Amino acid sequence: AQKITQTQPGMFVQEKEAVTLDCTYDTSDPSYGLFWYKQPSSGEMIFLIYQGSYDQQNATEGRYSLNFQKARKSANLVISASQLGDSAMYFCAMRERGSASKIIFGSGTRLSIRP
Amino acid sequence: KAGVTQTPRYLIKTRGQQVTLSCSPISGHRSVSWYQQTPGQGLQFLFEYFSETQRNKGNFPGRFSGRQFSNSRSEMNVSTLELGDSALYLCASSLGQGASTEAFFGQGTRLTVV
Repeated sequence: AQKITQTQPGMFVQEKEAVTLDCTYDTSDPSYGLFWYKQPSSGEMIFLIYQGSYDQQNATEGRYSLNFQKARKSANLVISASQLGDSAMYFCAMRERGSASKIIFGSGTRLSIRP
Repeated sequence: KAGVTQTPRYLIKTRGQQVTLSCSPISGHRSVSWYQQTPGQGLQFLFEYFSETQRNKGNFPGRFSGRQFSNSRSEMNVSTLELGDSALYLCASSLGQGASTEAFFGQGTRLTVV
């Protein structure tokens, strides 16, 4: 069964440091997409980055990069040079080709940036 | 380009009442899906509509229903509200149907049932 696991309920990081948020997934579908979303206290889910199962290179979007290790079924989010505005909940999510209408989310990691 | 718009932002309802939430997707997007977010259960998939047809449904009771109009706008209805229905309801808009399709979310409707 498809599943997303985020093992870090909360993290504290000093401003300007890099941070890695862990995500592992489980699926039997060879075609899938992995996503990271940021949810500030306002509630809106903000799309950050996407990685396809057949992509050869790790995805990058500005200060965000995705460390994709397919054999280990791992899709960690790396935020470089963290900023105070990065404080939020972060969700790892997945879509499978077989049930692409549904996104499965992990339990989330609450990231707090210290000044 | 306007994002996903959900109305209303906040709602307070009494047990037993019904409620209708609205979602306007990004222009050109034909897929709209709904999610319920609670502290205890996290984010759970409710249902998804594409071209006015429900394509997939999560494990929620029949009190939860939805529809999509020809302009891709979608509504979600919850009848006979229960205290446990208090949650943030998020709507997501997608261009297509594939696993690689990005989903963009609205700001959500925060429903409180008293």
